[in-house]
Order: sequence, then structure tokens, then C-alpha cells
Amino acid sequence: QKEVEQNSGPLSVPEGAIASLNCTYSDRVSQSFFWYRQYSGKSPELIMSIYSNGDKEDGRFTAQLNKASQYVSLLIRDSQPSDSATYLCTEGGGTYKYIFGTGTRLKVLA
Amino acid sequence: SQTIHQWPATLVQPVGSPLSLECTVEGTSNPNLYWYRQAAGRGLQLLFYSVGIGQISSEVPQNLSASRPQDRQFILSSKKLLLSDSGFYLCAWSSNGPLEAFFGQGTRLTVV
Repeated sequence: QKEVEQNSGPLSVPEGAIASLNCTYSDRVSQSFFWYRQYSGKSPELIMSIYSNGDKEDGRFTAQLNKASQYVSLLIRDSQPSDSATYLCTEGGGTYKYIFGTGTRLKVLA
Repeated sequence: SQTIHQWPATLVQPVGSPLSLECTVEGTSNPNLYWYRQAAGRGLQLLFYSVGIGQISSEVPQNLSASRPQDRQFILSSKKLLLSDSGFYLCAWSSNGPLEAFFGQGTRLTVV
């Protein structure tokens, strides 16, 4: 049974700081990883995809993947109050199923 | 571009009543389709997924069922709702392979 684990938080960071969100996964053959942002009462929105070891940057977001350690992270630079949301990690698609972590609630304090 | 439609947005149903939630995808062929449920303050629980017409895989035993009558249509049903069926129901689609999934706007179901 594949598992994805995240710290539920809340993670509180001051405005302008770097928020670091982490995720570990159990399936060694996982090929791809995705980060979603979910605002309260809304559906998840894809913000980052990463397929290979190393870093991938997109604007203020950087995803980091370490397949040897089965670890994926999301860094949010210059955090803004509008970044306050729950961030969900998932690996997937290879077996058709997307198993999500419970999500980390991020609070950016103005 | 691809879009996913899910309706209704909110629904209040009495215990014991039937349920039918519909999801359709536009702009792609043969998508993988998913139903998730999210209880208040909790993570996403995969309920059903489908890789083709008429093919349904169930992840969690419950009083819900799913059907895929057409390539881009996915339906979640129940014959008799329970209080525990309350939650936020999300439909999602993906292409084949280890690619990202995209979610509909969700249906907030309250069983009273």
C-alpha cells in the first residue's frame, strides 16, 4: 500500500520568509510528484510537478526531489498572506492512483 | 484546453435519500477519472477511479458506487445516504502515465 506522509502543521511563517514544506513517500518506483494548493472550501490546484532528482523552480516556488531518500519538498520564497492554504503532496499516476498526504496547513503572518 | 465540470456545487440531502453526482471532462479523450472525498479538516480519500468506459476500481468499501457510461462522464451514486457520507466530493482527471491530475470545483454534500 503506497503511502505519502506530511506534517499536518500548521506551519506559521512571517510575511517575506521562506516556507518549507516536506513530504515523504513509500513507493520506491514512483516517477513523478505533484504539489497542490487548496484554499479553505475550494478544490486543490496544481502548483508544481517534478519528475527528476534535483530542484525545479517556478517563480517563487521551488520543488526538490530526492528519490534515494524518498523525499520531496516545496519551498515558497517571499511568502505572502495569500499563500496561506493547505498544501497537498502526491506521487503518481503510474498505477493510475494518486495517493495524497493529509496536507500541511501553512499560515503566513502579515 | 481541457476543462472539468462537476455539479452541483452544494447539496443537502436527508438520510436515506439517493445521491447522484456528475462529472464531465472536455477537451481530451480517454482520460483517467477519479472520485475523492474530503471530510472536514481531513485529507483526500480516493473512492473510485476509472481508466476506461465501464471500468471502475473501488478503493474503499462503502455504500457508494460509481459508473462511467461515456468516455468523459463519471457518476457517483448512492441508493441510501448515511450521515457519514457528508463531505466535499471531488472529481479529477488525468492523462495516461505519471502525469498530473486536475480537479473539478467539488460538491459539498451535507446529509441531514
